[in-house]
Amino acid sequence: DIQMTQSPSSLSASVGDRVTITCQASQDISKYLNWYQQKPGKAPNLLIHDASNLETGVPSRFSGSGSGTGFTFTISSLQPEDIATYYCQQFNSLPYTFGQGTKLEIK
Amino acid sequence: EVQLVESGGGLVKPGGSLRLSCAASGFTFSTYSMNWVRQAPGKGLEWVSAISSRSDYIYISDSLKGRFTISRDNAKNSLYLQMDRLRADDTAVYYCARDRVVGATRGTFDYWGQGTLVTVSS
Repeated sequence: DIQMTQSPSSLSASVGDRVTITCQASQDISKYLNWYQQKPGKAPNLLIHDASNLETGVPSRFSGSGSGTGFTFTISSLQPEDIATYYCQQFNSLPYTFGQGTKLEIK
Repeated sequence: EVQLVESGGGLVKPGGSLRLSCAASGFTFSTYSMNWVRQAPGKGLEWVSAISSRSDYIYISDSLKGRFTISRDNAKNSLYLQMDRLRADDTAVYYCARDRVVGATRGTFDYWGQGTLVTVSS
């Protein structure tokens, strides 16, 4: 199975800050990488697909980049409603696997 | 509006069985692959199983093979997960999720249900 490692596991930032989360795959997954946001008590929500493509309706402050084994997720200007846990997920090969999550809090 | 509504969760004893359902609406269900993803309390996400639009291809996590079975009924716009020989570590919220690309089993989940909680405990 492909292991996905996110960093950091938790993060505290101020409104307006630029926030970056990294995700490393245990083997080359090309650009087969998605990012999800999950708010407490809610289902995950797809933000970025195929490493860098913004899902329809998602604010442009969210972005993704990377390929191969290293990926980055960025919020350009943190908003209060962005408080959530973020997950990366590879779909290069089965079983699809998720990172352990990054819990984002407001400072 | 795309809607996925899970049902069938509840409290079950270890070794018992449960069948989850997911009712889909707002899209042409028969053209999309579907998935189950679970989340243990306070933990991360774990993909469970996928089924192609016409049930040609079925995939399941190796750790669940032999106990969990995915199926669908396109006439009823419904997805199912049969769970047998349940264990305490199967306790989780179970989500059904649609695969983003029509006609493909690609592993990108663009719509999710609200989830149904399965608790395995004596």
